[in-house]
Amino acid sequence: GAVVSQHPSWVICKSGTSVKIECRSLDFQATTMFWYRQFPKQSLMLMATSNEGSKATYEQGVEKDKFLINHASLTLSTLTVTSAHPEDSSFYICSAPSGRAPNEQFFGPGTRLTVL
Amino acid sequence: GENVEQHPSTLSVQEGDSAVIKCTYSDSASNYFPWYKQELGKRPQLIIDIRSNVGEKKDQRIAVTLNKTAKHFSLHITETQPEDSAVYFCAAAIQGAQKLVFGQGTRLTINP
Repeated sequence: GAVVSQHPSWVICKSGTSVKIECRSLDFQATTMFWYRQFPKQSLMLMATSNEGSKATYEQGVEKDKFLINHASLTLSTLTVTSAHPEDSSFYICSAPSGRAPNEQFFGPGTRLTVL
Repeated sequence: GENVEQHPSTLSVQEGDSAVIKCTYSDSASNYFPWYKQELGKRPQLIIDIRSNVGEKKDQRIAVTLNKTAKHFSLHITETQPEDSAVYFCAAAIQGAQKLVFGQGTRLTINP
């Protein structure tokens, strides 16, 4: 089945630094990928839709200059959290359409970001 | 835009009993309704989904029902087992739009 990986699985950084998270589709191509943020004991909130070869589409309230998304190939999307602050600490999860059925998505394992 | 409400937020049942989680959605154009199971610190896993052209779907101990008129869908787990303990999320999407809108989640605990 479709497999989505993320790297790193966890990261700790100092406030003010930038962190890059990678999302890869391992055995299929994905022209679209989705980035979610999940705070403890809360639901998944869609941050943006990553589009291969074009600009990402951000959800309302998500700062595009703070959360930079690049989808340079059909198997890789990256999310860079710029000038990270403690309030950015969260679980970041990507997903990609499986291609097997409309709307079906497979999720990556998530990246736990802790900003000190 | 779409809004999905999920209830209850927590649910505790005895092993072997049934568990029911309910969701309502606001956008009548939504026609894809997946359910995900998420264990602590792990990715959401699709356990069952339903499309608006059917009213019920079963997969062993898991079933989902959909009432399009009421804009309501439910997850039913029968003969619950300790390994069913997790957080369950419902979601809704408009076919073709791909974006999923999630409910708030239900923490299900199965008591042995």
